[in-house]
Amino acid sequence: NAGVTQTPKFRVLKTGQSMTLLCAQDMNHEYMYWYRQDPGMGLRLIHYSVGEGTTAKGEVPDGYNVSRLKKQNFLLGLESAAPSQTSVYFCASSYHVLNSPLHFGNGTRLTVT
Amino acid sequence: DQQVKQNSPSLSVQEGRISILNCDYTNSMFDYFLWYKKYPAEGPTFLISISSIKDKNEDGRFTVFLNKSAKHLSLHIVPSQPGDSAVYFCAASANQGSQGNLIFGKGTKLSVKP
Repeated sequence: NAGVTQTPKFRVLKTGQSMTLLCAQDMNHEYMYWYRQDPGMGLRLIHYSVGEGTTAKGEVPDGYNVSRLKKQNFLLGLESAAPSQTSVYFCASSYHVLNSPLHFGNGTRLTVT
Repeated sequence: DQQVKQNSPSLSVQEGRISILNCDYTNSMFDYFLWYKKYPAEGPTFLISISSIKDKNEDGRFTVFLNKSAKHLSLHIVPSQPGDSAVYFCAASANQGSQGNLIFGKGTKLSVKP
């Protein structure tokens, strides 16, 4: 049982380049999330999805777009990367709406130079 | 404005003793609280949770206490083991998590020394 899988694990981008981070879960979870973690900071929510075809903004959505075309996948896009987006990105999923713990992937470390 | 605060960046404890990790929150609408553990190069893993209708929840060596009047919760690990060395994040949500997101603290790095 793979759980939540993130690809790639590492990536280096130049300012202005674009990329897409892929998250896949095999637990049939309805909810999916993208968080970023910066040094000395907690995890901050970028965007989330409450079901296939839906997305919503989190705490720090600027500079990112997301899509949830299939229930098991949640994509995070950076259209024009900036050094401020250097971070570790975590995808997570959860089953129920109420009182449901998140299951996290192992993260993608992104560096923007 | 930090809604969930973990004021101790690090904590060092001897193996076999109790570890107490603290968390304070400011939003009175929070009604569901969780603790996550994170090892380096891995994602956070769920440890234990508590609803605001309770003041204590226990799971093996881990106990979470909630003091709503003080807006404070704590995680007790007894006895502490070297494998417990990790970063612990406190997280909270409002409306029993119906909004589908959590607010995390900055984390406390626990070191358990043999």
